[in-house]
Amino acid sequence: AQKITQTQPGMFVQEKEAVTLDCTYDTSDPSYGLFWYKQPSSGEMIFLIYQGSYDQQNATEGRYSLNFQKARKSANLVISASQLGDSAMYFCAMIPMDSSYKLIFGSGTRLLVRP
Amino acid sequence: DVKVTQSSRYLVKRTGEKVFLECVQDMDHENMFWYRQDPGLGLRLIYFSYDVKMKEKGDIPEGYSVSREKKERFSLILESASTNQTSMYLCASSTGGSVNTEAFFGQGTRLTVV
Repeated sequence: AQKITQTQPGMFVQEKEAVTLDCTYDTSDPSYGLFWYKQPSSGEMIFLIYQGSYDQQNATEGRYSLNFQKARKSANLVISASQLGDSAMYFCAMIPMDSSYKLIFGSGTRLLVRP
Repeated sequence: DVKVTQSSRYLVKRTGEKVFLECVQDMDHENMFWYRQDPGLGLRLIYFSYDVKMKEKGDIPEGYSVSREKKERFSLILESASTNQTSMYLCASSTGGSVNTEAFFGQGTRLTVV
């Protein structure tokens, strides 16, 4: 079965510090894509970063980086130098190739950045 | 600017009513999705369509059906609304046939069934 697990319902981080949001996934497909989305209190879903299963290097996008450990089936999001505007829900997601390219989400982590 | 538009931001319906949630995208995307979002449960896939008139069940299809008669429009139907279908409903679209395609989301419809 294909599944995304996010074990941290809520996290706090001090402004300007780094924070890691955990994500583990389960798929038997050798080809898959991993995503992180941000959902602020306004409700819109914002794409942050993508990692392909065959990518050799960890993905980075500005202050966001994805710590991809394929053998452990983990795809943790690292946010460096947290800002107040980073307070939001964060969702890890996956597209496995053998699922007709369905997009599957985890339960999310609510991040609160303290001033 | 890419756009996924859901017909209503807020809806209040009575138990037993037939409810239609509409979603339109202007990006010529093959894939369209309907999710419901509940606290602590994340986004759960209800139905997915990868082409016109093609659909697949997601994780929680019971009590729902879908229609995709045109590529740009994907409708979610609650045949007989019940209070446990009170939720936020999100529509999304993406290009087909690849694991690296970003999904674009609508603004969500908050449905309350009374």
